[in-house]
This record gives sequence, C-alpha cells and structure tokens, in this order.
Amino acid sequence: GNSVTQMEGPVTLSEEAFLTINCTYTATGYPSLFWYVQYPGEGLQLLLKATKADDKGSNKGFEATYRKETTSFHLEKGSVQVSDSAVYFCALSDNAGTYKYIFGTGTRLKVLA
Amino acid sequence: GAGVSQSPSNKVTEKGKDVELRCDPISGHTALYWYRQSLGQGLEFLIYFQGNSAPDKSGLPSDRFSAERTGGSVSTLTIQRTQQEDSAVYLCASSLGGQENEKLFFGSGTQLSVL
Repeated sequence: GNSVTQMEGPVTLSEEAFLTINCTYTATGYPSLFWYVQYPGEGLQLLLKATKADDKGSNKGFEATYRKETTSFHLEKGSVQVSDSAVYFCALSDNAGTYKYIFGTGTRLKVLA
Repeated sequence: GAGVSQSPSNKVTEKGKDVELRCDPISGHTALYWYRQSLGQGLEFLIYFQGNSAPDKSGLPSDRFSAERTGGSVSTLTIQRTQQEDSAVYLCASSLGGQENEKLFFGSGTQLSVL
C-alpha cells in the first residue's frame, strides 16, 4: 500500500542555518505530495504541495520538489528562523479517486536564536 | 466558525469507559475526516464523511469505534469500552468538497489518555 517515510527528529538548528527534512514515498500511480506544518498549540496547516513530477511547491521560503525518479519530496529552507520551530508532516494523496491522505510520522524542528 | 474546533482538548478516562469526541468543521465544508496520531506514529486515517454519509469506514480500528455526522456539520467520534491502546491524539479535519488534492483544515486535536 501507499506509505510515507520521513526522517526522524528532533532536528535542532541555529537561526539562519540551512534546513533539509527528508521525505520518501511509496505509491502506485501518480500521487500528489504535501508538506503540512503544526506550530505549537495549533492545528496542522498546509505549507506547500506539488501535484506532478518535477513540480516545485514553495511557501514562506520553504521549497520541495516532486522527484519521481527517487520517489522523494524533501523539504528545504535556506535560512531558518526561530518562528519556524514546529512539527513538519510529509503526506501524499492518492489521485486514483480517493481522499485518503497518508501522512508521515512528523519531524520536530527546533531553531535556536 | 473561523476554524475547525475540537472538544474536549484533553480527556482522561478509565479503561472500560466510553468517550465521545466532538468536531465542529469549518462552516460550509462538506468533507470531514478523523485521524489518530499515536506516539511516534504518523496520522492514521479513521473515517471520512461527505455530508452526513461515510463512504469509507475502513480505518476504524475495531467495532468499539463509531462516528456520526449530523446536519452536514458536527461530527462525534465514539469509543466504547476504551482500552489503553486507544490513548492517542484524535485529529479532525475538514475540506470544502472532498476533491483530490484539496487542502485539509485541521483542528488542534483531542488528547485521549486511557488509564
């Protein structure tokens, strides 16, 4: 079945450091890929998405590129801020007519000033 | 409402008791989802509603779990005879129409602890 694997956390970085959070997936067909973020005390919210191979999703300085050849959707940011501290979830949506989003386990990011 | 609202935010119960978890989706959202997040696990899909009907209940872990939605709005997830392995964060999400690639809006979740 479909699955999402993302790197375990926590990830601790200093402000202005480069961030990569790895995400790989297993799916039949051509899923859409998402990153959701959960800030402390808040619900998950969509950060970015990509719906087909080679698409790049971007938002708030974060980027992720849909790589079909490596079945990956790694999240990157060139310079993190303290306010980026949160839990990040990689997810896929099967485009075979279902509505089931499959989520990874989440990666906690802590950015130190 | 402004966002998806879940209540209670925390629930502590004794093994064997029944619990009800409530979700108020965003007004006008026809699709509603329940997920469960256990410690160190991803979000586990439980059930999906389109309007008041649930086309897919396959994620419910056992017959102790049930859910309903009334008026195309509020949903209640009921767990009967709770067990310790039911301890988790229960998340509700809603979306506008339940279409593919659609953005999900999540509540803050209910932390359930079964002693």
